[in-house]
Amino acid sequence: AQKVTQAQTEISVVEKEDVTLDCVYETRDTTYYLFWYKQPPSGELVFLIRRNSFDEQNEISGRYSWNFQKSTSSFNFTITASQVVDSAVYFCALSPDYKLSFGAGTTVTVRA
Amino acid sequence: GAVVSQHPSWVICKSGTSVKIECRSLDFQATTMFWYRQFPKQSLMLMATSNEGSKATYEQGVEKDKFLINHASLTLSTLTVTSAHPEDSSFYICSARELAGGPSTGELFFGEGSRLTVL
Repeated sequence: AQKVTQAQTEISVVEKEDVTLDCVYETRDTTYYLFWYKQPPSGELVFLIRRNSFDEQNEISGRYSWNFQKSTSSFNFTITASQVVDSAVYFCALSPDYKLSFGAGTTVTVRA
Repeated sequence: GAVVSQHPSWVICKSGTSVKIECRSLDFQATTMFWYRQFPKQSLMLMATSNEGSKATYEQGVEKDKFLINHASLTLSTLTVTSAHPEDSSFYICSARELAGGPSTGELFFGEGSRLTVL
C-alpha cells in the first residue's frame, strides 16, 4: 500500500519569505516515482517535478528546489522568495506505476 | 508539450440524469488513462484505470455500475456518471500516459478537470 503524508494543512507567508512543504511517504516498492503538483484556484494540476526512486539528487528549478532523502522517506519542496502567484494547493504524490497516491495537500497563501 | 483535454469543463445537471465526461489526448496516443475525483478542499482519489480496448479497473469502493468508463481508442476515454445525485458533485480529473516509444515515453499528463454539480 502507498501512503503520502503532508502534515502541513496550511502555510501562510509574506511575499519574499521562503516556504518549505514537507512530504513523507510509505511504500513497499523498491522502484517508484515521486511527484509534486501545484493546483491553483482554477483547479488544473500543474506538474512541477517527477523523481525516480533511484535518483536522490536534489534539484533546483528557478525558485523551486526539492530535497529527496530516501533514508527518511521524505521529498520536501522549498519555494524561495515566495510570490503571490505561488498561492495554491500543493500536492505530493507517489506512484510505482503511474497510478498516483496523493497526499492531502498543503494550501500555501502568500500575502503581499 | 503533450496536452490532455477534458470536456466539458463544468456541467450542472438535475438529479437522476447521466453525465458524460470526455478525456482526450490531443497529440499523443495513450495506453492508459486514469480517472480521479476530488471533493472540495480534499485530495485527489483514484477512481479507476482505463486501458484501451479492455475493461476498466476500479479502485475499492468505487461503484463500476455508477461510474461507467469506456476507453474506445488510444486518444479517448469517457467517464459516465449514471443517475447522478448531489453527492456525486465533485471535480473529476483524468490523466493519460503516453504510449511507450512516443516522444514523451511513459510521461503522465493531466486534463484540466471537469466540475460536476448535481442539483
